[in-house]
Parts: sequence; structure tokens; C-alpha cells
Amino acid sequence: QSVLTQPPSASGTPGQRVTISCSGSSSNIGSNTVNWYQQLPGTAPKLLIYSNNQRPSGVPDRFSGSKSGTSASLAISGLQSEDEADYYCAAWDDSLNGRNWVFGGGTKLTVL
Amino acid sequence: EVQLVESGGGLVKPGGSLRLSCAASGFTFSSYSMNWVRQAPGKGLEWVSSISSSSSYIYYADSVKGRFTISRDNAKNSLYLQMNSLRAEDTAVYYCAREVYDILTGYLIDYWGQGTLVTVSS
Repeated sequence: QSVLTQPPSASGTPGQRVTISCSGSSSNIGSNTVNWYQQLPGTAPKLLIYSNNQRPSGVPDRFSGSKSGTSASLAISGLQSEDEADYYCAAWDDSLNGRNWVFGGGTKLTVL
Repeated sequence: EVQLVESGGGLVKPGGSLRLSCAASGFTFSSYSMNWVRQAPGKGLEWVSSISSSSSYIYYADSVKGRFTISRDNAKNSLYLQMNSLRAEDTAVYYCAREVYDILTGYLIDYWGQGTLVTVSS
């Protein structure tokens, strides 16, 4: 059971806009920034969005992120076939046990 | 170009040990905290352990505490994970990952290695 909650799947047709949610708590999303990763089949995760809504160099502006309270979301507009991948949210967690990273369970995006 | 290259994975029997290595290049290794993150087959990402730049701060997930030991050698630009008392549930791809902190952007894992597969089976 992952600390951050994501829907297991999402889908859309080319050109559509899809959103993926990520729900946490006050010790993680509520008090720290959220990062999103894209993982293509058989490859390592790649940073997609950092600090809630910032895109690293090279990431298309079709990808955007937002955060409100203890939840965050990733939006992909103008969906393309190459966007078919697993998407993970992540945040630092300041718990009583010390510091640790927490991840969402991942959302498998299918482009129909 | 930042590069993280893991090695040391393989097949090991339950109760056995394995030592993973991660060779870093393309950045000043001694300035960054580093992490190990794993991914069981068909499953999501799970943080395993982290170590600060000077090894002053070390943290473990509850699932590996007391069995795994993270370490680093800044002179060799290398990160390690000593895994003892391995269990079937430790079977996963293990990724080495760089961590960045900035007061404006917060904490961030920005680069990942390609991963090394650890299989625990009799």
C-alpha cells in the first residue's frame, strides 16, 4: 500500500487532455513539494515535473502540474501515443520516524 | 552529463547477501545526498534508503532496517548498498538516484540510474 494515492489507470484518445491525481497527507504533500516521474516500459523513471509545477528542460509544455493542500495533479494536454507510460508522484515525508521519500502507486496511462 | 550506473545485482538464495554499487559521474558526487529506490516486478516505486553527502545522515525504510546498509565513498564517486538476510520480497530492480535540495524548489530526486535486478529465490 503506497503512502500517496493515485488511480491505477487512466486513458484518453490522441489530442485529449487527461489528468492524474495524487493524494497524500500533511506530513508529505501538505508540507513539501510534489514531483512527478514518467516511466516508459523497461526504462528508469524520468523527472517530468518538480516543485509542484516546474518542468525540467526538454519536457514539453503539454505536461503541467498543480498542488492544493494535500493533493496534487498532473495534466497532459494534446495527448500523444508516446505519452503511454506509467506516471508516479513523489514527495518528501516529514514523519516522526525521520525523513523518507514516499511515492504513489503509479498510474498506467493508455492512449486509445 | 550526469550518469549513474548500478551493478552487483543477480540471483541469490533467501537469507543470502548481495552488495550493490553505483558509479556516479558528470557531477560533484560529494555534494549530493543519494538514495536507493526499488521496484518489484510489475509494481510501483519504493524508497529504500538515503545517505547525506558526508554520510552524516542515513535513513532506511522500515522494510529493510537492520538488514540493509547504505554507504558511500566520495573519493571513488560511488554509492553502495549492502543487503543481508535477503527475502523473496526484496526481489526488485534497484535504482540509484540523486537527490537535490533547494530552498525554493524543495527536495527532488532528479536523476536515476538504469537499475540492477536483484532476484531472491531458492
